[in-house]
Amino acid sequence: GENVEQHPSTLSVQEGDSAVIKCTYSDSASNYFPWYKQELGKRPQLIIDIRSNVGEKKDQRIAVTLNKTAKHFSLHITETQPEDSAVYFCAARQGGKLIFGQGTELSVKP
Amino acid sequence: GAGVSQSPSNKVTEKGKDVELRCDPISGHTALYWYRQSLGQGLEFLIYFQGNSAPDKSGLPSDRFSAERTGGSVSTLTIQRTQQEDSAVYLCASSLRQGPVSGYGYTFGSGTRLTVV
Repeated sequence: GENVEQHPSTLSVQEGDSAVIKCTYSDSASNYFPWYKQELGKRPQLIIDIRSNVGEKKDQRIAVTLNKTAKHFSLHITETQPEDSAVYFCAARQGGKLIFGQGTELSVKP
Repeated sequence: GAGVSQSPSNKVTEKGKDVELRCDPISGHTALYWYRQSLGQGLEFLIYFQGNSAPDKSGLPSDRFSAERTGGSVSTLTIQRTQQEDSAVYLCASSLRQGPVSGYGYTFGSGTRLTVV
């Protein structure tokens, strides 16, 4: 089955800096890769996703890149703000379900 | 409904007792998922329902765990003879189409926090 590895587990940046979170997956058949943000005590929410026929997707300050050959994808957040502080999860679709990484706790210090 | 609804929001139970957790998905969403999130951990897949197809139970950790979905809508996750390691937040999600695809990601419920004492 699919296995998703996510790094780092924690990340601390200064406000205004960039943050990068990386994930690898094992199943070459996976074709959909979303990212979720979970604020403390709240439910995970979809922030951006990418399909396997696209190499990069951007939405304002966040972007996702995908390298199908290497089976890895990354989340990039630019000009970080304190409200970006949360746990971020990557995921890969296996069949009809998502398999999630272990999460990255991002802390943005003002 | 407007969102995915889960009940109860919190449940404290004694070790060895059975518990039932309920999920009411967004109306019209054909796919329903259960995940478990232990303290500081990721989202562990448990089970997935899609329409009238047989559920994907590959993530259920033991035969003490079971789930059903009645009428293609509400789902109940049952944990029998609860153990302390079952303590976690149980999250339900639903999806409009067959599995999550671009633009149709999961919508999660707020979860049920289960504490086994």
